[in-house]
Amino acid sequence: EVQLVESGGGLVQPGRSLRLSCAASGFTFDDYAMHWVRQAPGKGLEWVSGISWNGAVTGYADSVKGRFTISRDNGKNSLFLQVNSLRTEDTALYYCAKDTTPTGEGAHDVWGQGTMVTVSS
Amino acid sequence: SYELTQPPSVSVSPGQTASITCSGDKLGAKYACWYQQKPGQSPVLIIYQDNKRPSGIPERFSGSNSGNTATLTISGTQAMDEADYYCQAWASSTYVFGTGTKVTVL
Repeated sequence: EVQLVESGGGLVQPGRSLRLSCAASGFTFDDYAMHWVRQAPGKGLEWVSGISWNGAVTGYADSVKGRFTISRDNGKNSLFLQVNSLRTEDTALYYCAKDTTPTGEGAHDVWGQGTMVTVSS
Repeated sequence: SYELTQPPSVSVSPGQTASITCSGDKLGAKYACWYQQKPGQSPVLIIYQDNKRPSGIPERFSGSNSGNTATLTISGTQAMDEADYYCQAWASSTYVFGTGTKVTVL
């Protein structure tokens, strides 16, 4: 079964950091680009970041550029998102999603259940 | 920055056809895809590359994309199709999601 399982979310104060993880199984992880997408409570979807199959190419939404860092460990079938300098507007459910292509620019055909990040003092 | 605009809501009677539009500058020159999200669930890809359906997605879902508008059509709408729908496109080295449309099956 193709599966993505996120972890690492929680309640954190503004300005602090978290590291989100996504464990992949059921497919050849290093054949595909991967992404993080978030959804604030009651709001729509927002693409956050993406990474190519080998980690050589990364991209970020303007809203997180310079604060978030995406990475992957193909040996451990894992995707990560280091989130620094958190703001209240970063409060959201963070989804890990698989791309349909190795390089990104495809659709997101597999999604995890999400990990909640709440930024509040 | 690139924007994709959808109507906030669409209502449809069971068995009828629902059409959801997604508007963006020269969207027809890009690939559009569509996601369905039911309350409390993760999004599900239902259309990619404008009009392709992933395996397991019912044939009643179809897509088109031309000019500035992509359209998701649900033919013979069923009660189970009540959900939020989002379009998405790749533009200027980032992904952009549409504003989302809530489909209500009356």
